[in-house]
Amino acid sequence: SAVISQKPSRDICQRGTSLTIQCQVDSQVTMMFWYRQQPGQSLTLIATANQGSEATYESGFVIDKFPISRPNLTFSTLTVSNMSPEDSSIYLCSVAPGGGAVYNEQFFGPGTRLTVL
Amino acid sequence: DAKTTQPPSMDCAEGRAANLPCNHSTISGNEYVYWYRQIHSQGPQYIIHGLKNNETNEMASLIITEDRKSSTLILPHATLRDTAVYYCIVGPRLNSGNTPLVFGKGTRLSVIA
Repeated sequence: SAVISQKPSRDICQRGTSLTIQCQVDSQVTMMFWYRQQPGQSLTLIATANQGSEATYESGFVIDKFPISRPNLTFSTLTVSNMSPEDSSIYLCSVAPGGGAVYNEQFFGPGTRLTVL
Repeated sequence: DAKTTQPPSMDCAEGRAANLPCNHSTISGNEYVYWYRQIHSQGPQYIIHGLKNNETNEMASLIITEDRKSSTLILPHATLRDTAVYYCIVGPRLNSGNTPLVFGKGTRLSVIA
């Protein structure tokens, strides 16, 4: 299994500022995923982060707004840039096991609850 | 886009079995059915998955129809702590590590005392 921690757990920010969310995994993983969950909604995939290469973004999400770093196999950051109240959401980090893993499960962090005023 | 259809909400009496249906009529031959749940303000939690056979673990049972176009998650003795949003997800084998789960709207299960 994989245990995922995120920092911060929650934050309240002013519009126009940026926030960087950290995701730490207790084991090495190839792919890390970032999701957004707007209030009362389901999870939406933002991007897939592969170590050593540029992140791949889903439709509607762009690198300038949500830059992602993936410096090693256990860590990633997501930055929410130039924030507006519409960015108020829970942001979740997730990982899936690499090839050959026995288990067939995707793991999620506890989420970062962001409120933008 | 999500490939599943679930009722938006269900109620269940505490101690009774909760049966949560899911339609996935466009599932392909190599796709699995995964069930996750999300208790308020927490990250999604894995429950169970299956390909074509029925599955059971300590949390739940998964019944998949023979044509694989629908499935039912069964919580045999629901408790108040099972109140959550339950997501039925269709997707490839996850231990390739490359393809993330795509979430639909899920079913909000309320367990009532």
